[in-house]
Amino acid sequence: QVQLVQSGAEVKKPGASVKVSCKASGYTFTSYYMHWVRQAPGQGLEWMGIINPSGGSTSYAQKFQGRVTMTRDTSTSTVYMELSSLRSEDTAVYYCARRVGEPGDYWGQGTLVTVSS
Amino acid sequence: EIVLTQSPATLSLSPGERATLSCRASQSVSSYLAWYQQKPGQAPRLLIYDASNRATGIPARFSGSGSGTDFTLTISSLEPEDFAVYYCQQRSNWQFSFGPGTKVDIK
Repeated sequence: QVQLVQSGAEVKKPGASVKVSCKASGYTFTSYYMHWVRQAPGQGLEWMGIINPSGGSTSYAQKFQGRVTMTRDTSTSTVYMELSSLRSEDTAVYYCARRVGEPGDYWGQGTLVTVSS
Repeated sequence: EIVLTQSPATLSLSPGERATLSCRASQSVSSYLAWYQQKPGQAPRLLIYDASNRATGIPARFSGSGSGTDFTLTISSLEPEDFAVYYCQQRSNWQFSFGPGTKVDIK
């Protein structure tokens, strides 16, 4: 069965960076693009970007350009999302998700990133 | 960047009533519009994709319609488990976005 297992909760200081991982299993890793979506406490869903696990190409939401980097490791079927220059407004649950908006979508369990001094 | 707006922000209804949720795109997204349901502490659940197709396992009381810039999600008769937040989401030219959500709560 398809599973997306994310890394654990993080607490970071303002200005730091965070790197969240998402390990995929149960399907051919390179066959499906992976998205990152975040949700601040009590707020809506915000799409951050997408990575093609096959070639590594990416597309980021304009809001995060220059601050987010998405990478992948095909040997471990893992995608990563790194967000830099963290501020308090980046406190959120970060989700990896396969096939957002399409049949066969799967979501990770979410990773809480807290930015606090 | 395509911006999605949803109305109303909150919909207060009773079980058994019909719910009609709207989503408008700032420019055409063709039929590349999906609807998600989210409950507290849970990941979003896909209900409708490509404007009008129900995802696997979604009850027939959920239906979607529209194309271009105006879309509607209809829940024909609300069940207790349907009280949640609903988001529309578009995928167009490899830029995706979500609407701000409509909360359906119990009247």
